[in-house]
Amino acid sequence: EPEVTQTPSHQVTQMGQEVILRCVPISNHLYFYWYRQILGQKVEFLVSFYNNEISEKSEIFDDQFSVERPDGSNFTLKIRSTKLEDSAMYFCASRWGRAPPGTDTQYFGPGTRLTVL
Amino acid sequence: GQQLNQSPQSMFIQEGEDVSMNCTSSSIFNTWLWYKQEPGEGPVLLIALYKAGELTSNGRLTAQFGITRKDSFLNISASIPSDVGIYFCAGPGGAGNMLTFGGGTRLMVKP
Repeated sequence: EPEVTQTPSHQVTQMGQEVILRCVPISNHLYFYWYRQILGQKVEFLVSFYNNEISEKSEIFDDQFSVERPDGSNFTLKIRSTKLEDSAMYFCASRWGRAPPGTDTQYFGPGTRLTVL
Repeated sequence: GQQLNQSPQSMFIQEGEDVSMNCTSSSIFNTWLWYKQEPGEGPVLLIALYKAGELTSNGRLTAQFGITRKDSFLNISASIPSDVGIYFCAGPGGAGNMLTFGGGTRLMVKP
């Protein structure tokens, strides 16, 4: 069964460093998402991406964040200058996107645990 | 923004017991989703509800989409140890169908 994959599974970085989190969405999906989950808290939406551009972003997704689909398979999240409070699990998700809105579901990857020291 | 409130926050039950958890919203959702998250993994979709009043089952799991479209419940019958995890309700919205998640119900099952 197709699945969303993410690399690395765990990333440790120093505060102020740039990190790139990578995702390979399900191959025929059109919509891509990043979410984050701070330890012990709920999953929060960061950004959605469709047709090579951001379709929606939350207030968490500030100028330090960017997303890119550099080729036909990868979808990346970059944090330019990491802060301690960026430590969290980051989940990528994808959705087929050809069904009526709200009727097809998002499939999540296993996540990347980001630890900022 | 939209908010989803889940209750209870946690449950510790004996294997074999039935479980019920619910989710309420400050606004209407046209779709309700229930996900399960196990430690170190991403959320996995359990049940999707698309119509007000809809009752849907997936094995021992049953979920209902409330008539007001502002609530949903999830029941698990005859719980087993592998039911342990965090159960999240979620609803899509916005231009990109972003998901809003509830705070989760942590389920612990004692063998």
